[in-house]
Amino acid sequence: GAGVSQSPSNKVTEKGKDVELRCDPISGHTALYWYRQSLGQGLEFLIYFQGNSAPDKSGLPSDRFSAERTGGSVSTLTIQRTQQEDSAVYLCASSSVGAREQYFGPGTRLTVT
Amino acid sequence: ELKVEQNPLFLSMQEGKNYTIYCNYSTTSDRLYWYRQDPGKSLESLFVLLSNGAVKQEGRLMASLDTKARLSTLHITAAVHDLSATYFCAVDIRPPGGGTSYGKLTFGQGTILTVHP
Repeated sequence: GAGVSQSPSNKVTEKGKDVELRCDPISGHTALYWYRQSLGQGLEFLIYFQGNSAPDKSGLPSDRFSAERTGGSVSTLTIQRTQQEDSAVYLCASSSVGAREQYFGPGTRLTVT
Repeated sequence: ELKVEQNPLFLSMQEGKNYTIYCNYSTTSDRLYWYRQDPGKSLESLFVLLSNGAVKQEGRLMASLDTKARLSTLHITAAVHDLSATYFCAVDIRPPGGGTSYGKLTFGQGTILTVHP
């Protein structure tokens, strides 16, 4: 079946612009996660959704970052006023209730110039 | 703060040799995961280890978990070139206020494995 999909696969933006990154989880997966992978910081947790609510936003680096999830499915990660340090690969993962395994999407490579 | 440390960070092996990657973590964990990442690709799940003494094997890879020592190992047997990749361990712990863990993963730094002919 279809896996986790993310769009766009690559995004180049100018410093100060806003960007939206999209994640389509595996159908029926209620849990959704965003992570960030960068050279300096490795793989970092950003936010966790259970259904449409986000019980853990502790990994969002600043108030320029926000995320939402609608219909218990698609999620959007928004970064406002992008900075060069936001350049990274943003990974989305999903899992089903009670499952132990997270399935990762292909990621969005964000480059801020 | 939970820390997850892998060693070595870089591993260059000859085909046919055996080696072990170590993953140490600093607090009690519910679950430990191993992932593989090829260059420019996403993370592929290899193993999920749920309890003390758990051992799982797939092909030339075997993973084990010692929760008392807070240590997991990924053992490579008779390495082949196709195993060249970056390997990550990740730990899932319970929230500070108690309750069930929900998949917030803390990752190790990754081990870059290169297998030479």
